[in-house]
Amino acid sequence: AQRVTQPEKLLSVFKGAPVELKCNYSYSGSPELFWYVQYSRQRLQLLLRHISRESIKGFTADLNKGETSFHLKKPFAQEEDSAMYYCALSGRATNKLIFGTGTLLAVQP
Amino acid sequence: SAVISQKPSRDICQRGTSLTIQCQVDSQVTMMFWYRQQPGQSLTLIATANQGSEATYESGFVIDKFPISRPNLTFSTLTVSNMSPEDSSIYLCSVVVAETQYFGPGTRLLVL
Repeated sequence: AQRVTQPEKLLSVFKGAPVELKCNYSYSGSPELFWYVQYSRQRLQLLLRHISRESIKGFTADLNKGETSFHLKKPFAQEEDSAMYYCALSGRATNKLIFGTGTLLAVQP
Repeated sequence: SAVISQKPSRDICQRGTSLTIQCQVDSQVTMMFWYRQQPGQSLTLIATANQGSEATYESGFVIDKFPISRPNLTFSTLTVSNMSPEDSSIYLCSVVVAETQYFGPGTRLLVL
C-alpha cells in the first residue's frame, strides 16, 4: 500500500533547539518525496523536495531508502518556523501527491 | 509560480444540496488537481481535472458525487453533490508549474 506516516501530531521545542520531524513512507517503486508547510492563515506551499538536495530556511531532509524515511531537520529552530508540516510523496512524473497527516511544529520563545 | 484563487472561500450548506467550487489560475496549466482535507485528516486526492475530457477520479471518488469541469487551461470547477455532514471538509485545487505543485487557498465547507 502507498502510504506516508508522520507519527507526531505535535512537536513542541524551544527556540534554538534542534528539530526533527519524522516521516516514513511505503511505496512500490521509486517515489519522489516532498515536505510541504502551511503557516498560520497561509496556503500550503512546497518547502523542499528530495531530488533538489537543497536547504530551505535552514531545513534539510535526506531520503533514506533503506529505512524508507524522509525526516525533516533543522539544527536551530526559530519561532517563525511554527507551522503545520506535511510529508508527501508521488510517483515519478505523476504529480499525484499522497500526504501524511501532518505535524504541528510549535517553537516556544 | 502560479497564483490560484478559489470561490467561495467558505460556505455553510444544508444536507441534500450541492455546492460548486471554482478554481482560477493566473496562467495556463496542463495539470490541475482537486484535493479534500477532512477534519483532523490529511489531504486526499479526489481527481485530476483534464481539459477537454472527463476528469480522472481516484479510488473512492465518483463523478456523480464530485462532477468536475475543466473548460480551459486556467479554470476548473468541482461540485459536491447531494451533500451530507461527512462532506464537511476543506477542498483545495492545485496546479503543476515547472514541476512544482501549487495549492489554492482552499474552500472550507460545513454541511449541516
